[in-house]
Amino acid sequence: LAKTTQPISMDSYEGQEVNITCSHNNIATNDYITWYQQFPSQGPRFIIQGYKTKVTNEVASLFIPADRKSSTLSLPRVSLSDTAVYYCLVGGVYNFNKFYFGSGTKLNVKP
Amino acid sequence: DVKVTQSSRYLVKRTGEKVFLECVQDMDHENMFWYRQDPGLGLRLIYFSYDVKMKEKGDIPEGYSVSREKKERFSLILESASTNQTSMYLCASSPDRYLNTEAFFGQGTRLTVV
Repeated sequence: LAKTTQPISMDSYEGQEVNITCSHNNIATNDYITWYQQFPSQGPRFIIQGYKTKVTNEVASLFIPADRKSSTLSLPRVSLSDTAVYYCLVGGVYNFNKFYFGSGTKLNVKP
Repeated sequence: DVKVTQSSRYLVKRTGEKVFLECVQDMDHENMFWYRQDPGLGLRLIYFSYDVKMKEKGDIPEGYSVSREKKERFSLILESASTNQTSMYLCASSPDRYLNTEAFFGQGTRLTVV
C-alpha cells in the first residue's frame, strides 16, 4: 500500500485559500486518492476523491499532477468551521477498499 | 443519509474484562471496519469485514476479535481489556469492495480501561 506524507499542521486565516499537499511516491496504477476531514470527537467525513488531473465539488478541489506522486487538496475561502484534521488516503479495490489513514494535517483557521 | 451507529459514546471498563463494542449500519453496506485512534498516531485499522461471517486483520489486530453474524452489525471484542487499549474506537462502513467509494463513520466510542 502506498504510504502518504502530509504536513503535521498548518495555520490559515478566514477567507484565505488553503492548499494541503500529500506526497505518495509509490502510488500504484489502480490507486485512487481520497481526502477526509475530521472534527474533534467525530468520525472522519469524506471530502473528495480523484484519480488524475483535477476534481472539484461543492466543498473542495483536488489537483493531481500527471505523475500522480502527490496531490493537493484546495479549500477555497476557509472559515473557522474548517478547523479540523485532514487525511489523505491512497488505495483501491484491489485491497478490498481497506482505508488506511495516516496522521493527517491539523488545519487551524484563525479569525 | 447513511447512518453508522455505535452503541456507546463513552465506556469505562476494568482491566481483564471482556468488552463488546457494537456497530450498526442502515444502508446494506458490504464492508465494515473497526479503527482505533490515538493522539499522534492517526487512525489505525484493527479489523474489517467484506461480508457476513468474513473478516480480515488490519494493522493492529492483537488483543481484539470481531464478529459479523448479520450484514448490518459488526462487533469488536476485547477479550481481556488492558490499559493500553484505552482509546477512541471508530466504526465505518462502505458500500462495496469492488467500487472506489467512500467510508462512512460512526461518532466513535471513547473507551477507558482502568
